[in-house]
Amino acid sequence: AQSVAQPEDQVNVAEGNPLTVKCTYSVSGNPYLFWYVQYPNRGLQFLLKYITGDNLVKGSYGFEAEFNKSQTSFHLKKPSALVSDSALYFCAVRDMVGTALIFGKGTTLSVSS
Amino acid sequence: GAVVSQHPSWVICKSGTSVKIECRSLDFQATTMFWYRQFPKQSLMLMATSNEGSKATYEQGVEKDKFLINHASLTLSTLTVTSAHPEDSSFYICSAPNRDQEQFFGPGTRLTVL
Repeated sequence: AQSVAQPEDQVNVAEGNPLTVKCTYSVSGNPYLFWYVQYPNRGLQFLLKYITGDNLVKGSYGFEAEFNKSQTSFHLKKPSALVSDSALYFCAVRDMVGTALIFGKGTTLSVSS
Repeated sequence: GAVVSQHPSWVICKSGTSVKIECRSLDFQATTMFWYRQFPKQSLMLMATSNEGSKATYEQGVEKDKFLINHASLTLSTLTVTSAHPEDSSFYICSAPNRDQEQFFGPGTRLTVL
């Protein structure tokens, strides 16, 4: 069965500092990995995905993520955090085309000014 | 990019009534749509897979008679919460993959049962 782990409930970072939100996954086949962001009482916004190819994936709003097969990780990163990045971040995985995404529990990112 | 809409965006109802939530893919066809449920500050839990022209597939622990799903066309899936109770209050989100298998999420429907 597929699963996603986000080990941190909350990440706190000062504006301008780099940020990392961690994600590890478990799938039986090749993983399709995603990051989404959610603002209060809103739906999900797509940030980036890894399907195949380069391990470093660049996405929206300056975010990027690095796929590490040996560590089964897909950590989300940004070189310089903004206060407006404060939100709830979800890592998600699926192992087959056409199946639903399985989400991690989410990590709240708080960026202080 | 592709757009998925949900209607209504929020609904308040009395206990015992039924509520229908619509999920539409606006500019693409989706033979499959997914319904998720999210409690405050928690993750999205997959409830069911909606299949156009056939029965929905429910996840373990989800009552199919409680949460009726109909996928009558390639652009519309509906979730009906029957005989709603306060514990059904939640944020319901649908998603639909386009033919490139990119998932697009609706904005969600906030259901409050009094």
